[in-house]
Amino acid sequence: DAGVIQSPRHEVTEMGQEVTLRCKPISGHNSLFWYRQTMMRGLELLIYFNNNVPIDDSGMPEDRFSAKMPNASFSTLKIQPSEPRDSAVYFCASSLAGRGSYNEQFFGPGTRLTVL
Amino acid sequence: EDKVVQSPLSLVVHEGDTVTLNCSYEVTNFRSLLWYKQEKKAPTFLFMLTSSGIEKKSGRLSSILDKKELFSILNITATQTGDSAVYLCAVLNYGGATNKLIFGTGTLLAVQP
Repeated sequence: DAGVIQSPRHEVTEMGQEVTLRCKPISGHNSLFWYRQTMMRGLELLIYFNNNVPIDDSGMPEDRFSAKMPNASFSTLKIQPSEPRDSAVYFCASSLAGRGSYNEQFFGPGTRLTVL
Repeated sequence: EDKVVQSPLSLVVHEGDTVTLNCSYEVTNFRSLLWYKQEKKAPTFLFMLTSSGIEKKSGRLSSILDKKELFSILNITATQTGDSAVYLCAVLNYGGATNKLIFGTGTLLAVQP
């Protein structure tokens, strides 16, 4: 298995532009997580999906951020409009969640976003 | 508010030294505590601890959880330069529909030859 795939790996954009980050989870996994990592705040959960349904989006910073999971093999995180403070590494992770159990989350390589 | 605090923030040691990394937490619906190692890319899983007092061991790494005092330690013996990384502690907040990891900011470990 190729693991969790994220694209692009690096993104540089100007303030005000729309940014779309993409994630393909590991085949067969039913939970998908979007994280943001910065030096100041560490690794923060933004949103997670279970069986393509958003379960908890309390970590999404504001309305400029939105995430979708149209099917089991694809998810997007969109920032519109982007701001310099959105600069961070964005990780996607997936797991096979069982009822009453926790299974390891596998992280993708991340997308390093720089907003100028 | 749920929080996970790691200490020290950074650490520089020489090869062969033993290090202890600390993680304390205040999290509702605590289920487990996890340790990850992050080198240049994504975090990779090391341990998951659910019960107090039971040491988990993998080679030169070991970890233990104290659910009464709400902390965990990660020990690395006979450190090597390849151990240089950020070590992340995360607590699993698990209850009802919630199943999410709350991460600390990490400890940056640098092992010098």
